[in-house]
Amino acid sequence: AQSVSQHNHHVILSEAASLELGCNYSYGGTVNLFWYVQYPGQHLQLLLKYFSGDPLVKGIKGFEAEFIKSKFSFNLRKPSVQWSDTAEYFCAVPQTGANNLFFGTGTRLTVIP
Amino acid sequence: DAGVIQSPRHEVTEMGQEVTLRCKPISGHDYLFWYRQTMMRGLELLIYFNNNVPIDDSGMPEDRFSAKMPNASFSTLKIQPSEPRDSAVYFCASRGTVGSPLHFGNGTRLTVT
Repeated sequence: AQSVSQHNHHVILSEAASLELGCNYSYGGTVNLFWYVQYPGQHLQLLLKYFSGDPLVKGIKGFEAEFIKSKFSFNLRKPSVQWSDTAEYFCAVPQTGANNLFFGTGTRLTVIP
Repeated sequence: DAGVIQSPRHEVTEMGQEVTLRCKPISGHDYLFWYRQTMMRGLELLIYFNNNVPIDDSGMPEDRFSAKMPNASFSTLKIQPSEPRDSAVYFCASRGTVGSPLHFGNGTRLTVT
């Protein structure tokens, strides 16, 4: 079955630092990949998604992610983080033969002003 | 569209009591999901419905948990009897066609004392 793993559990950065959060997926045919963000006390919101085409996907709030098939990765990036980016970030992939999403364990990002 | 609507936002109850969580999906969405989020286990899928029919309930932790979807615009998740270890945030999510992103409700924070 498709799954994702996020190896960074907690990342702490200063404002204006560059961000890269890792996400690796297991192979399972057609790959659709998602990044969701959960701000403190709020629900999960879609940040960006990859279905096909250009492997570099642009999302909201300056985020982007690159699908690298050879590395089974879909890392999330932002060139310059802001304090308001403090949140938990989840990578997700549809489960093979199912209709639900499998979510990674999440990476908590803390941005220090 | 108002998005996925969950109620109540917060629920505090005593151990042994029945708890009912409610969800109204986005109109036109065929799939509805119930997730539970805890610090220890992250985001777990409990059950999902397609066209009001439960498809996969393998994530429901035990018989104390039950979910229904009597029509396309309403679903409930019931815990009877509740236990302190059920304390978590419960999210409802819905989506339309296969591959489209999930839209999450604001969640219900359940505390069982």
